[in-house]
Amino acid sequence: DIQMTQSPSTLSASVGDRVTITCRASQSISTWLAWYRQKPGKAPNLLIYKASSLESGVPSRFSGSGSGTEFTLTISSLQPDDFATYYCQQYNSNPLTFGGGTKVEIK
Amino acid sequence: QVQLVESGGGVVQPGTSLRLSCVGSEFSFSSYGMHWVRQAPGKGLEWVAVISYDGSNKYYTDSVKGRFTISRDNSKNTLYLQMNSLRTEDTGIYYCAKSRITGPVSTLPLDYWGHGTLVTVSS
Repeated sequence: DIQMTQSPSTLSASVGDRVTITCRASQSISTWLAWYRQKPGKAPNLLIYKASSLESGVPSRFSGSGSGTEFTLTISSLQPDDFATYYCQQYNSNPLTFGGGTKVEIK
Repeated sequence: QVQLVESGGGVVQPGTSLRLSCVGSEFSFSSYGMHWVRQAPGKGLEWVAVISYDGSNKYYTDSVKGRFTISRDNSKNTLYLQMNSLRTEDTGIYYCAKSRITGPVSTLPLDYWGHGTLVTVSS
C-alpha cells in the first residue's frame, strides 16, 4: 500500500497569511493526488485533483503542485472559512490512501 | 445538486453485523464508481472500499477484507456496506462518496460526499 505523510500536522496562522502544506508519498504516484478540506462536523470537500487542477467552484486562492512523491497545497491568503483540516489522497492505485491531515488553526 | 444520504448507523456490540445504505440523487448513479470512507472519532480519514459503476469490480482496505462487503442496486440508486464481525476499531462516521468522473476506473478523486452515518461498536 502507498503511505501518505503530511506535514505539519498542525499549523497556526492568521487571516491573510500564505500557507503551505506538504504531502509525501512512499512511492511515485505521478500526479494522481487530490486535496480535501474538512470543516469541523462536516464531510470533506474536494479542492484539487491531479495534483494541480482546481475543482469547479473552489476559490482561486487554493493551488496545488508537485509530482512523483512530493506535493504541496498552498492557500495564498487564508480566509476565516479556511480554518479546517486538510487531507491529501493518492489515487494512483488501490487501496486509496489519505494522509494523516493538517489542522490549520487560528494564531 | 448532487445528494448522497447515508443511513443505517447505530450502536452495536462487537461481533455483530450492520448494513449501511447510501441513496444518491441528482446524478446518473449507475455511471459512477462509489466509495465508502470512514473516520474514527477525532481521527483522520480512512478509505474503506470502492465498487465500480456496474458492480463488477470491488476493492477493500486490508482491515475490512473478509468482513465487509460493498454492493449496489442501480435500480434504486443505492449503495450498501454490509459490515460483519464488527470490532471496536470499526467505530466512526461512515461516509459514502462519488467518483469524480464516470467509467470503469476505480482510482479517482471523490467529488461529492454524504453527511455520514455514525457506527459505534461497543460492549
